[in-house]
Formats: sequence, C-alpha cells, structure tokens
Amino acid sequence: QKEVEQNSGPLSVPEGAIASLNCTYSDRGSQSFFWYRQYSGKSPELIMFIYSNGDKEDGRFTAQLNKASQYVSLLIRDSQPSDSATYLCAVKAGGYNKLIFGAGTRLAVHP
Amino acid sequence: DAGVIQSPRHEVTEMGQEVTLRCKPISGHDYLFWYRQTMMRGLELLIYFNNNVPIDDSGMPEDRFSAKMPNASFSTLKIQPSEPRDSAVYFCASSPIAGVNTGELFFGEGSRLTVL
Repeated sequence: QKEVEQNSGPLSVPEGAIASLNCTYSDRGSQSFFWYRQYSGKSPELIMFIYSNGDKEDGRFTAQLNKASQYVSLLIRDSQPSDSATYLCAVKAGGYNKLIFGAGTRLAVHP
Repeated sequence: DAGVIQSPRHEVTEMGQEVTLRCKPISGHDYLFWYRQTMMRGLELLIYFNNNVPIDDSGMPEDRFSAKMPNASFSTLKIQPSEPRDSAVYFCASSPIAGVNTGELFFGEGSRLTVL
C-alpha cells in the first residue's frame, strides 16, 4: 500500500463548478497535510496546509481533514480553466521533516 | 531572490554513463530535498539534508545513486552507471526551518533526464 494515495484522474469539471479532490494516507502518526498544484512542465507549488480536523478555507480553496478516516480533500469552488493542473497531496509524519507525496490527480476545467 | 537553481535543465545520455545533477538552494534555507518524478511512481523523495548533513537517504533507489552537499549553497545528485529506468524529472527543493513545518518547499525547475 502506498503511503499517500490519490485517484490519478483526469477529473473533468465544467467552468464554475466545484472540483473535489481526495487523498488517503496510511500512517496514523501523520500530523500535517498539504496540497500542491503542478502545472504541466512546471514544478509543484504549495496551495494550502491543514493540521486540524475540519475545514480550512482560503479564497476559492477549502481543505478538509478527517484524521479518524485518514482522509484529506481539497475543494475548489467556481473552478476556472486556469485551475487545470495536477494536484498533489502531501503528508508529513510526526517527528520527521520530510513530505511524502501522492501521485497526484489531474484536473481539467473546461469552458 | 533567484529561487532554487538546478542544472542541467535537460540531459540526454546513454546507458552506463555517469550523470551529475546540480542544485543551488535558496540562501538561508536549512533543508534541501531531492525528489524524482515519473508518471508511474509520482514524486518520490530520494534524500534530504539538514544543515548540509544527510538525514534520510532511505529513498535512494540503489547504490548507483549518491548525493552530497559540501556546503550550504550547493548539492549534487550523481547516478553511476545510469540506466534507462532512471529517466525522470529530478527536482531539488529547499526550505527554511519554518517552511518545513508549514510544508512550504521551494522547488527548482527540475532536471529532465533521459537515459537511452
């Protein structure tokens, strides 16, 4: 079992819709969770991080964490074609200063 | 700041040749990470350094891979001998101490390696 799992997609949504991206992780000791965005041919960039159970909102983005279910999600409201990218979920285990990434979900927002 | 600088951006080599990838982290960052990205395996952590000291190299695939950080402003990842399955994009990332906690790694543009 991979440490961080994501559906590879592609996830296709129409412009203006909500895109929902999901991630599960295997290490119950994980304490910090991150979402990165990677445009084709570019390097990953951090969008959001979340530490506590519940929701965290930042503009059009909402990260959701459920530690009991070992589940993290990212919601993108009012999706735009410019949101089309691969979204990488990353996990930091307690006591370790390294991020473990999932393989990413490719999102396509069509006009 | 110029950001994390990697070289070369593209490398095409033949199987059996030695490959050296280079990275200059952002000045003042204490952590440096080497990742490898392929379609099949995604973004894999190979090794990371804290204050120039290797902390965790458990992701290094085999003895053909080695990494060094002789000073705070330079790191290398070497593959000797290279094999076709090493073809990937290799990313270097750096982070300050606070960034490690917030997960903010600053990635270079990557080195795309093709081994024929």
